[in-house]
Amino acid sequence: KAGVTQTPRYLIKTRGQQVTLSCSPISGHRSVSWYQQTPGQGLQFLFEYFSETQRNKGNFPGRFSGRQFSNSRSEMNVSTLELGDSALYLCASSFTGGMGTEAFFGQGTRLTVV
Amino acid sequence: SQQGEEDPQALSIQEGENATMNCSYKTSINNLQWYRQNSGRGLVHLILIRSNEREKHSGRLRVTLDTSKKSSSLLITASRAADTASYFCATVLGGSQGNLIFGKGTKLSVKP
Repeated sequence: KAGVTQTPRYLIKTRGQQVTLSCSPISGHRSVSWYQQTPGQGLQFLFEYFSETQRNKGNFPGRFSGRQFSNSRSEMNVSTLELGDSALYLCASSFTGGMGTEAFFGQGTRLTVV
Repeated sequence: SQQGEEDPQALSIQEGENATMNCSYKTSINNLQWYRQNSGRGLVHLILIRSNEREKHSGRLRVTLDTSKKSSSLLITASRAADTASYFCATVLGGSQGNLIFGKGTKLSVKP
């Protein structure tokens, strides 16, 4: 079956702009999580959605938001981009999320803010 | 926030040698997972070990978990050049849902 698909793969934006990233989970998976990866901070959890509801949230400012649709596809949005938002954004899906669940990651979206 | 910490940060070995990476964490966990990442791409799940398990094997991978020391190790036997990647441990906090907390990773380089 198809894996987790993230679009676009690469993105260049200007400071102050906003951006929307998309994630299509594995068919049947209802949990989608988003992570930010930077050389300095490593992999940091942004938020998790399950059945269209945000179930868990990391320690990021309100400029970072997300949503999940009824088909489990998820989007994350970053408004008023800052240079420090340049990162690899990874999406992971799992059947239920939660304890003891293997997560399947997409290839990521590389966002560069100039 | 609580995080696993891998050790060493970087490891360089020859093909055929074994590679051992360690992970320490701070608070009680439900399970611990190891992931591999090839050069800035997505993460690939390697193995999950639950808090009530002590050792798990998968092919050339062997993972141990010592909850009393709050540590885990990943052993890759007979390494290959294709094993060159970054390896991350990730913990799921007891009682949490879907929130993997990653360490900084060990960058493994296997020279042919």
